[in-house]
Amino acid sequence: QKEVEQDPGPLSVPEGAIVSLNCTYSNSAFQYFMWYRQYSRKGPELLMYTYSSGNKEDGRFTAQVDKSSKYISLFIRDSQPSDSATYLCAIGYNFNKFYFGSGTKLNVKP
Amino acid sequence: DVKVTQSSRYLVKRTGEKVFLECVQDMDHENMFWYRQDPGLGLRLIYFSYDVKMKEKGDIPEGYSVSREKKERFSLILESASTNQTSMYLCASSFGGRAHEQFFGPGTRLTVL
Repeated sequence: QKEVEQDPGPLSVPEGAIVSLNCTYSNSAFQYFMWYRQYSRKGPELLMYTYSSGNKEDGRFTAQVDKSSKYISLFIRDSQPSDSATYLCAIGYNFNKFYFGSGTKLNVKP
Repeated sequence: DVKVTQSSRYLVKRTGEKVFLECVQDMDHENMFWYRQDPGLGLRLIYFSYDVKMKEKGDIPEGYSVSREKKERFSLILESASTNQTSMYLCASSFGGRAHEQFFGPGTRLTVL
């Protein structure tokens, strides 16, 4: 079983839609939960991270962690064509143990 | 802005060649990482370094080695390139206590023929 599972998509939505991206994980000891965005032919960039549990909001982006279900989500409100990218979740519990999901490709149509 | 640069965007090498991939960061980060990214497999950690001359194996170190002689520079070496090492290679760096906030370079697309 993979440490982190992520639906590869692609996910196609109209501009202005609310997008929900999700990952599941297997190890209940994980404490760090990150979301990275990767544009085509670029390296990933950190969008948000949460430690332990709960929600975090940053502008149009909200990250949620449900530790009881081992499930994390990233919500994008009022999605824009510029949000079209691959979104990677990353989960871990100490210095060198971070596991990345395979990424969900999002396409926001104008 | 943190800047992580990688020596090449695209590289084509032959089986058996020794390949050097170089990464430089300009933010005085203690930690540096090398990943490979393959479709359906996500990013997998090859090696990381938390200080000059220090290195630790990641999940898939076989066939690779690394060198960190200066704080800003982290090199990945493919001792004898093989076709299954064809991949996108990504370098990242972070501050010492913040490995969860990694800054990535643009990647090197390596093709081994």
